[in-house]
Amino acid sequence: DAGVTQSPTHLIKTRGQQVTLRCSPKSGHDTVSWYQQALGQGPQFIFQYYEEEERQRGNFPDRFSGHQFPNYSSELNVNALLLGDSALYLCASSYAYKQGWGEAFFGQGTRLTVV
Amino acid sequence: GQQLNQSPQSMFIQEGEDVSMNCTSSSIFNTWLWYKQDPGEGPVLLIALYKAGELTSNGRLTAQFGITRKDSFLNISASIPSDVGIYFCAGLTYNNNDMRFGAGTRLTVKP
Repeated sequence: DAGVTQSPTHLIKTRGQQVTLRCSPKSGHDTVSWYQQALGQGPQFIFQYYEEEERQRGNFPDRFSGHQFPNYSSELNVNALLLGDSALYLCASSYAYKQGWGEAFFGQGTRLTVV
Repeated sequence: GQQLNQSPQSMFIQEGEDVSMNCTSSSIFNTWLWYKQDPGEGPVLLIALYKAGELTSNGRLTAQFGITRKDSFLNISASIPSDVGIYFCAGLTYNNNDMRFGAGTRLTVKP
């Protein structure tokens, strides 16, 4: 059973450019969340997608957008990159159920460096 | 939003010693999760807690969901070198669909 997979693993972009990161959830999971993890800190919630819609959003600007496809995979897009966007971007998948969305399983992350 | 205070920030222990770390919040959570993260990798789920007062073990790891729903602790018994890493607590509520993380506890185990 493949876990959560993210691509690419590493990426270097120039300030002002745009970037797209991809995530395939664990088999059987229908919910995808994205996190930004700066060096030495805990992950910060960006947003969550369920049924192809953004269900919840953290405190991130509109430059951060996403999409979920019918097969539950997801993309994170960041426009007008800033140096401060350099971080490890983590995707987490889970299965939505009534009481909450339960345990999340994380991918290995995409290390984005903005120069 | 809810903030999680995780302590200690770092720990240096001898192999074989027991370890304890905790997480507190001013807000109530309905689920507490503990993750371990190795360098360059995503967090790996260790233990999930769903009920206040719940005590759950996973091998040498034991975690408890505080009665007040505002705290949780993780214990590691008889530490070994592969326990080295960063441990994160995370809290989740029913109303919010995001998971809040603590800042992490960096564990170093000396052989």
